[in-house]
Amino acid sequence: QVQLQESGPGLLKPSETLSLTCTVSGGSFANFFWNWVRQPPGKGLQWLGYIDESGKTTYNPDLKSRIIVSLDMSKNQFSLELTSLTTADTGVYYCARMDFWTGFQRPWGQGAQVTVSS
Amino acid sequence: QSALSQPRSVSGSPGQSLTISCTGTSSNFGTYNYVSWYQQHAGKAPKVLIYDVSKRPLGVPDRFSGSKSGLTASLTISGLQTEDAADYYCCAYAGAYTHLEFGGGTKLTVL
Repeated sequence: QVQLQESGPGLLKPSETLSLTCTVSGGSFANFFWNWVRQPPGKGLQWLGYIDESGKTTYNPDLKSRIIVSLDMSKNQFSLELTSLTTADTGVYYCARMDFWTGFQRPWGQGAQVTVSS
Repeated sequence: QSALSQPRSVSGSPGQSLTISCTGTSSNFGTYNYVSWYQQHAGKAPKVLIYDVSKRPLGVPDRFSGSKSGLTASLTISGLQTEDAADYYCCAYAGAYTHLEFGGGTKLTVL
């Protein structure tokens, strides 16, 4: 059974760079996309971007200049980097496996709280 | 603000059926062929209920069903149970290497 777990620093300052890692256990990277979604406090889900097994990425155009998603299959991990943080980037960040054809996401990680504050 | 519009809240009594709508525009639902629905309990990660408009993953009760007509997708919950109280999100996808879009979410209260 595939499981995902996010890890990374919980508190950052404005203008810093967020780096989160999602560790995948119990499955391979083949034939799926690997996705990042976030949720600001009290708000809805926002799609950030995803990566395929070859390293090809697709990003939310609202974040395109600030986001990098990468993959390290040797470590069974994929990562999110978000630069030039502001307080609006505060929220819970989720990683999820995404079906290539239909886009549905399952399973999800438990989420990582990220707070951006001076 | 999401381009997929959901009611902010809905409510129902145990045993009832209710439907949550997700309305798009020709620029998203006209292009997005795949709709999925997610349930999120407070403090938990989302869980998929429906994918590809109307398919249920293994383990999801058949009380949950999905449909789409024109620019509106719908999630119907039959035989409402107290544990169905949660937030529900629709998600649209046009295919590989295209964007995802989530609806704004609907809070379901079970009275």
